[in-house]
Amino acid sequence: NAGVTQTPKFRILKIGQSMTLQCTQDMNHNYMYWYRQDPGMGLKLIYYSVGAGITDKGEVPNGYNVSRSTTEDFPLRLELAAPSQTSVYFCASSYSIRTSGIAYEQYFGPGTRLTVT
Amino acid sequence: GESVGLHLPTLSVQEGDNSIINCAYSNSASDYFIWYKQESGKGPQFIIDIRSNMDKRQGQRVTVLLNKTVKHLSLQIAATQPGDSAVYFCAENLNTGGFKTIFGAGTRLFVKA
Repeated sequence: NAGVTQTPKFRILKIGQSMTLQCTQDMNHNYMYWYRQDPGMGLKLIYYSVGAGITDKGEVPNGYNVSRSTTEDFPLRLELAAPSQTSVYFCASSYSIRTSGIAYEQYFGPGTRLTVT
Repeated sequence: GESVGLHLPTLSVQEGDNSIINCAYSNSASDYFIWYKQESGKGPQFIIDIRSNMDKRQGQRVTVLLNKTVKHLSLQIAATQPGDSAVYFCAENLNTGGFKTIFGAGTRLFVKA
């Protein structure tokens, strides 16, 4: 298994540009997440999805959009990039059994380092 | 690599010593706890987990202790090695009908050779 893969690894955007960060997992996990991590800080949840066709906002969703058309893919869209969106973005996935109230650990991708200038 | 941990609490230990990393969690209803390790330039990686019906769990060289009375979690690393140098995050999982995972701020571990 490749696990969680993210592309691109690095990207520089100009203010006002848009881009999509790609995330794919091959573990058949139902839950997927997008986090951002600023230097010296912890992880902040942007959006998450509990299954194909279902997405929900996390702690810091403004300026971002997501979609989950398949179990494997969970792209993150940045519209009108701003310097405040300069960060490292991590995608993660996990397997959880909501009906039984059982959660398991998250598997993280290698991250995308984004700079907006 | 990425400069994670510039402003994080730091623990410095001698190679071969034991390390203890502490974490206070926020919600008394959280029922699942995980420790992650993040090396420079990489994503967090699962180390060990514990559910709320336990107070101790051991892995290879690592032990997690859970004290629900004071909402405290600790990670003990035995015989710390240079490869253990990283940022360590605790995470609590709250089952609210949908799962909510809350990550702690992280602790940077330096291992001196």
